[in-house]
Formats: sequence, C-alpha cells, structure tokens
Amino acid sequence: QSALTQPPSASGSPGQSVTISCTGTSSDVGGYNYVSWYQQHPGKVPKLMIYEVSKRPSGAPDRFSGSKSGNTAALTISGLQAEDEADYYCSSYAVTKTIIFGGGTKLTVL
Amino acid sequence: EVQLVESGGDLVKPGGSLRLSCAASGFTFSNSWMSWVRQAPGKGLEWLGRIKSKTDGGTTDYPTFVKGRFTISRDDSRNTLYLQMNSLKIEDTAVYHCTTYNVRIGGALDYWGQGTLVTVSS
Repeated sequence: QSALTQPPSASGSPGQSVTISCTGTSSDVGGYNYVSWYQQHPGKVPKLMIYEVSKRPSGAPDRFSGSKSGNTAALTISGLQAEDEADYYCSSYAVTKTIIFGGGTKLTVL
Repeated sequence: EVQLVESGGDLVKPGGSLRLSCAASGFTFSNSWMSWVRQAPGKGLEWLGRIKSKTDGGTTDYPTFVKGRFTISRDDSRNTLYLQMNSLKIEDTAVYHCTTYNVRIGGALDYWGQGTLVTVSS
C-alpha cells in the first residue's frame, strides 16, 4: 500500500493559520475515521496531536484541529506560534489492517 | 509515567539478523496492543507492524514490505516487546521505535520510545 500524500513543506507567519493536507484512498483515509497526526521536532520523538480525524489528546493545544473530506484529511494550526515549527505526519488505518503514514510535511514559521 | 525503552540496536552486515527489545513500564503492558515504527536518517515514519494483547488474541499484522522478514512478539511476564529482524538490507538502516497502539482511540500511537539505531552496512 502506498504512503499517504502530504505536501513536502508549508509555511505561515506567527498568528496566522496553516492547513496541511493528507490524501489517501477509499481503502484508508476515505474508508475509516482513524486518521492521526503527529508532530516531530528535530531530534525528538513524534508526538500525537490528533486522533480519529479531529480529536485532541490531553496535552495537545486547542490551536490544533483536524478534519476530513472524502479521501483527504487535513490538519489546521490556528494562531501559529514559533514552537509549531516541526515536521508533521498523518497516518491512517487501512483495509489491510495496517497503518500507513504520510511522507511528512516540514512546517516553517516565518 | 509511561516509559518505553528500546535496546538491541547495532551495526550488522547485510543478510544478518538482529533482535530489538522494548521494556515497558508505567501502564498495564499485558492489556496493551503494541507497535514498531522506524525512521531512516532524514526520512519519514514507517509502520512495521502491531501485536494485539493476548486477551484480544495476541495476533500480529504487518505491512507487505516486511512480511516474512520481521516478526513482532511479546513477553508479558517481562513487560517486553520484541522485533526480530532477518535478512537485513542496507535500506533497513533506521532508528526503530516501539509505540503503544491505542485501539480505544482508533489505533493512534500515543506513546513512543526514544528509539534504538540499527545500521546495516558491510
């Protein structure tokens, strides 16, 4: 199964909003509400930010939100802050009973 | 506090084998589904497979690209997760993380270990 498709990079200024997309197929993103998003700072371990498309675990700021339409999921960060600069990965449960990751998006805060 | 500590990473020749371990603490390991994820240097995340709790059958699932080469197992008496890797290739060079696989929240990977480095080189 192929990796989910994310843009390699995204950017925004402090205070702005930025949205990162994650495109799959009807066998993964479109077929299940089991999309997660992870934040990874350089040299650090990935951190879960969103699960089940739009739910935030404790510890994830409410500036982070998730959504899905058809085969594409999205992570939106509102009120961008300097510490949001990181790599972001989406993942989805798939019909093959596996988890598929996106290729990752490097977010730059200008 | 949940802790996952991987060990066993090493330099190994192509075609060789290696077994990684992940010591878990701070939660009820025997009730938990667990996963392995790797990250090659400068690259993205790759999911390597999952093992269910014995209560839920203890079965495993793997992506196609590791089937037959990698095997995940667990020892609940030692609170330890394992990843047996055979026929290693240069492209298996990566940091290997164990994670919890939280089936209650759609299979999200909510806790990660720091990882152990596997280098495959002649």
